[in-house]
Amino acid sequence: GESVGLHLPTLSVQEGDNSIINCAYSNSASDYFIWYKQESGKGPQFIIDIRSNMDKRQGQRVTVLLNKTVKHLSLQIAATQPGDSAVYFCAERTWAGGGADGLTFGKGTHLIIQP
Amino acid sequence: EPEVTQTPSHQVTQMGQEVILRCVPISNHLYFYWYRQILGQKVEFLVSFYNNEISEKSEIFDDQFSVERPDGSNFTLKIRSTKLEDSAMYFCASSGQGLGEQYFGPGTRLTVT
Repeated sequence: GESVGLHLPTLSVQEGDNSIINCAYSNSASDYFIWYKQESGKGPQFIIDIRSNMDKRQGQRVTVLLNKTVKHLSLQIAATQPGDSAVYFCAERTWAGGGADGLTFGKGTHLIIQP
Repeated sequence: EPEVTQTPSHQVTQMGQEVILRCVPISNHLYFYWYRQILGQKVEFLVSFYNNEISEKSEIFDDQFSVERPDGSNFTLKIRSTKLEDSAMYFCASSGQGLGEQYFGPGTRLTVT
């Protein structure tokens, strides 16, 4: 089954409103989580990350919340703008003891900003 | 701002042919990755590379795939005998740390006919 998944494939919000994108993960051994934004025809772009020893991290207009008890990750975007329209992926890393570990991505949520 | 670059942007090849996808990671990064994304689906990890060897690979990365860092700047992904199902966007990524932000390139769209 999916190690990382998203609850909603599409989220539509009004410009200026706050948006919350959710993500569930099943691997309790994961120690690092990232949110990526992907615009059409482009590669994933880093938004914000959080390590498993934290439960909240804030960036510019974005906040990531991690609830390890229920294995849930969320991305909050404040005062959404047209440029926020994109597909948002959560990704997790499970330490495998190697020098570089790949990320496991969720399916993505398409955020649509309505004027 | 430094960025990961990939060439070509689009590669069309016939089934059974070999393809090499090229990437130039960010210059001071030490960790390198390949991912793929089939149209409309999630990004999937293929392989990671560190200290001149494969660090981790997924079950997708079978014997048809190989990676190489032929010089100090390039990182390549080779598919020996392409199949129709290899059609996807292939993303290269690099990071300065084993645990940290991975910077993605713009991708190479591979179309196998």
